[in-house]
Amino acid sequence: EAEVAQSPRYKITEKSQAVAFWCDPISGHATLYWYRQILGQGPELLVQFQDESVVDDSQLPKDRFSAERLKGVDSTLKIQPAELGDSAMYLCASSAGTGKGQPQHFGDGTRLSIL
Amino acid sequence: LAKTTQPISMDSYEGQEVNITCSHNNIATNDYITWYQQFPSQGPRFIIQGYKTKVTNEVASLFIPADRKSSTLSLPRVSLSDTAVYYCLVGYTGTDKLIFGTGTRLQVFP
Repeated sequence: EAEVAQSPRYKITEKSQAVAFWCDPISGHATLYWYRQILGQGPELLVQFQDESVVDDSQLPKDRFSAERLKGVDSTLKIQPAELGDSAMYLCASSAGTGKGQPQHFGDGTRLSIL
Repeated sequence: LAKTTQPISMDSYEGQEVNITCSHNNIATNDYITWYQQFPSQGPRFIIQGYKTKVTNEVASLFIPADRKSSTLSLPRVSLSDTAVYYCLVGYTGTDKLIFGTGTRLQVFP
């Protein structure tokens, strides 16, 4: 079982609806990442937080996606409105520091299906 | 744009050594390579990480040649439970980007 908690594990919704994912990182980990993984591909970084601040959101589609980590602990990723192409696994990861040498620990993801 | 590629799939038999390569653009001497294992419906699991020529832990070794245009994950004696998808992750300090490889599906046969 993953140490990084994510919920829900599965989400099915219709296009144009709003959807939200939650992530609780490993206690004490300052850095939090959200990734999107399309079936058969490697994860793609959407947003990286250092404590409550965004470090990198260059690949986040900001017209419909938003992410927050208000108290620097758990985080929420939201999509509004959802589109068919958003169907994917959304993974959260955390690490102890910001350096590239800090291994990331992943949750088991939220599988999103848009009808 | 940094690109990180891997062979799509590999087959092996139990007890054999498996070497999976990751090809990437020129990486700096302090750019880290990390390898992950992923089973269906689970998140990636950390295997090994390093930036030097060779790193070894209890389950795998990581080799980075002098030209730093590729890296190799070595699994010494695979078992059926090693059947999974393996990803490399490159941390490019120049662009400050984290790029996952395309993934290699390893199938281990008895």
